[in-house]
Amino acid sequence: NAGVMQNPRHLVRRRGQEARLRCSPMKGHSHVYWYRQLPEEGLKFMVYLQKENIIDESGMPKERFSAEFPKEGPSILRIQQVVRGDSAAYFCASSPGPPPTYEQYFGPGTRLTVT
Amino acid sequence: QQQVKQSPQSLIVQKGGISIINCAYENTAFDYFPWYQQFPGKGPALLIAIRPDVSEKKEGRFTISFNKSAKQFSLHIMDSQPGDSATYFCAASITGSGYALNFGKGTSLLVTP
Repeated sequence: NAGVMQNPRHLVRRRGQEARLRCSPMKGHSHVYWYRQLPEEGLKFMVYLQKENIIDESGMPKERFSAEFPKEGPSILRIQQVVRGDSAAYFCASSPGPPPTYEQYFGPGTRLTVT
Repeated sequence: QQQVKQSPQSLIVQKGGISIINCAYENTAFDYFPWYQQFPGKGPALLIAIRPDVSEKKEGRFTISFNKSAKQFSLHIMDSQPGDSATYFCAASITGSGYALNFGKGTSLLVTP
């Protein structure tokens, strides 16, 4: 059973461009979470999604950030008009059921660099 | 604000020694306390977790100690090995209300040969 897959692993964008980060959960997992890790910081929760639904987006910045988890295909975290402060590692996690009963399995992350 | 405070920021331990990492929290509604291990370039992986109905949980060389009255919990790594060198994160969450894992800032552990 393949683990959580994220791509790309590294992404470089210029200020003002759009960044699209993809996350394929583990097989059989319908719950997806996105976290952001700034240098020297712990992971910060951004959003929790189930198939086709956003359950909790309390950690998402109000502007420029959006997330989706369609019926088919990976979950996408989209950052529009990126700024230098968006440079971070973005981790996706998945679980077969709701937290915290079910463990969240993390992917390897996408490291976004904004130049 | 940081809901879970973790210390120390970095730790160097000799092989065979005991590594101790501490975390403190304020929100008494937290009822799930996991520890994650992260190697460079990888995502965090769950190491061990505890709920407040027990004061200690042991899995192999890893032990969580939990002090509900002090609102503190700690990770002890016995007989530390160079392969344990990684960043360790404590976290806390609330069952049934909110879904976020609230992470500490992490402790970078180096175990020297």
